[in-house]
Amino acid sequence: AQTVTQSQPEMSVQEAETVTLSCTYDTSESDYYLFWYKQPPSRQMILVIRQEAYKQQNATENRFSVNFQKAAKSFSLKISDSQLGDAAMYFCACGNDMRFGAGTRLTVKP
Amino acid sequence: DTGVSQDPRHKITKRGQNVTFRCDPISEHNRLYWYRQTLGQGPEFLTYFQNEAQLEKSRLLSDRFSAERPKGSFSTLEIQRTEQGDSAMYLCASSLSEQPEAFFGQGTRLTVV
Repeated sequence: AQTVTQSQPEMSVQEAETVTLSCTYDTSESDYYLFWYKQPPSRQMILVIRQEAYKQQNATENRFSVNFQKAAKSFSLKISDSQLGDAAMYFCACGNDMRFGAGTRLTVKP
Repeated sequence: DTGVSQDPRHKITKRGQNVTFRCDPISEHNRLYWYRQTLGQGPEFLTYFQNEAQLEKSRLLSDRFSAERPKGSFSTLEIQRTEQGDSAMYLCASSLSEQPEAFFGQGTRLTVV
């Protein structure tokens, strides 16, 4: 089974600035995927971005990008030009059985 | 397809009663996941299926929890002899094994009184 660690319970960013959320993981799988999900207050979990472990190129999705360091088992999420609507809980997930970290609460200050 | 559907959305039950939740995944998604989430915490893995086969079940769960996916389509999660500590949001998600990003339902909120 995978384990996923998010060491930042809370983060804050000024609107239009950049913020990076950290995630480390451990897995015995040789071929796996990594994901970042966003969960706004009282709303549904939605996918932000995914990374295939066999791809060296970091995934990018508009203002969201990842820094994937396979050897270090690190998978951080960078949010550029932060917007008020980015405020949410962010969860990192790993593996075929989709194990999640404890989450990081992101606050965006106007 | 309207996405992953969970029923009921809310359930209030008395301690000691059994409850059953249903999840209808996105059509043709062969993987289905169940999670439990308490306020401010991450989704806690309960179990997952590939088609009708239950591939993994969390060791954190007692024997009071059981899940089925008899025809590889919808799934049910049953909790027997509910306890107050079972109060949580129960989330279901589905995915394709070839594209494993999971799509989530809106969850079933269980309150045990």
